Amino acid sequence: EVQLVESGGDLVQPGASLRLSCAATGFTFSSYAMSWVRQAPGKGLEWVSTISDRGGTTFFADSVKGRFTIARDNSKSTLYLQVSSLRAEDTAVFFCARTDLWFGENHYFHMDVWGKGTTVTVSS
Amino acid sequence: SYDLTQPPSVSVSPGQTASITCSGDNLGHKYVCWYQQRPGQSPLLVIYQDNKRPSGIPERFSGSNSGNTASLTISGTQALDEADYYCQAWDSDTVVFGPGTKVTVL
Repeated sequence: EVQLVESGGDLVQPGASLRLSCAATGFTFSSYAMSWVRQAPGKGLEWVSTISDRGGTTFFADSVKGRFTIARDNSKSTLYLQVSSLRAEDTAVFFCARTDLWFGENHYFHMDVWGKGTTVTVSS
Repeated sequence: SYDLTQPPSVSVSPGQTASITCSGDNLGHKYVCWYQQRPGQSPLLVIYQDNKRPSGIPERFSGSNSGNTASLTISGTQALDEADYYCQAWDSDTVVFGPGTKVTVL
């Protein structure tokens, strides 16, 4: 069974850092790009970051650029998101998602498998 | 930045057809996908590359994209289709989500 399990969410104070993890099973992790998407309480989906299958290319939303880092360990089938300088507005459920993308002439991007999410709460 | 617009809500009677629009500048030149999110659950991909259905998604879900508007159509809507639906596209190295449409099955 294809599965993604996130972990690492916590209640932290403003300015703190966390490392979120996403363990993948049931598919060849190294063949897929991976993404993080977050959802603030009662709000819509917000894309955070994407990393290519081998980790050589990364993309970030402007709202997190310079504060968040995405990485992967294909030997462990695990995706990471290092979140730093956390703010109250970063409070959200963070989902990891398997990503199918192509940046050729007819580029496409969609996320076909999602985890259940891990909750990050930033509050003093 | 690129923006996508969706109606906040759509109401439909059981067995009828629900149509959700997603609008953006020259959206027809981009591939659009759609996600369903039931309360308390993770998003589920229901349409990708404008009109393709992933394995396991019922045939009553269909999609189209032309001009400035993409659409998700749910034919023969069932109570279990009640959920939030988000469109998504890729633009300038950024993933863009629409604000979401709440589909209520009355």
